[in-house]
Amino acid sequence: AQSVTQLGSHVSVSEGALVLLRCNYSSSVPPYLFWYVQYPNQGLQLLLKYTTGATLVKGINGFEAEFKKSETSFHLTKPSAHMSDAAEYFCAVSEGPGNQFYFGTGTSLTVIP
Amino acid sequence: AAGVIQSPRHLIKEKRETATLKCYPIPRHDTVYWYQQGPGQDPQFLISFYEKMQSDKGSIPDRFSAQQFSDYHSELNMSSLELGDSALYFCASTPPTGRSTEAFFGQGTRLTVV
Repeated sequence: AQSVTQLGSHVSVSEGALVLLRCNYSSSVPPYLFWYVQYPNQGLQLLLKYTTGATLVKGINGFEAEFKKSETSFHLTKPSAHMSDAAEYFCAVSEGPGNQFYFGTGTSLTVIP
Repeated sequence: AAGVIQSPRHLIKEKRETATLKCYPIPRHDTVYWYQQGPGQDPQFLISFYEKMQSDKGSIPDRFSAQQFSDYHSELNMSSLELGDSALYFCASTPPTGRSTEAFFGQGTRLTVV
């Protein structure tokens, strides 16, 4: 069984500050991990993904995430927040190609000028 | 690059009516997923199809049915609509197994039941 927990349904940061969005997962098999971003009234856009290999994954718009197996975590970070980063962020886990995605409940990021 | 196309983008229906949502996956993608996202909620998996056969089933109500056609597009049919069916319905597609691990999502169909 797979599940995802995102700590903090709302996160506010000042423009230029570090962004940290937390994601913990449970999986009975080696997980495939994803972060998606959703802007208002838009679809889900992939930020980054971890499948195998390097545990530090870099994505679009300056985001990165690190897969830590011992902590079952896949936290999303960005060194300096930009106003355009304000959106809903979803962490997701999958057992692999062709399998459904299990989403966390999402974290709404607000960037304060 | 071609993306997942969903139609219509917006749909307003009355209670007890029926609705049909369409999804056109990225060319050569053989797997389609349907998700339902209620207001302020995370996407919930409804059903998926691989090579025109149902491959997995989630929390899809019995009032809903779906299928994948020979051209790989998929339709979600919703009958006896209820107010609680108001949500954003996403379709996603993935390429043949082993070629990619990510799902590509459409922009969704926003269904409002009044």
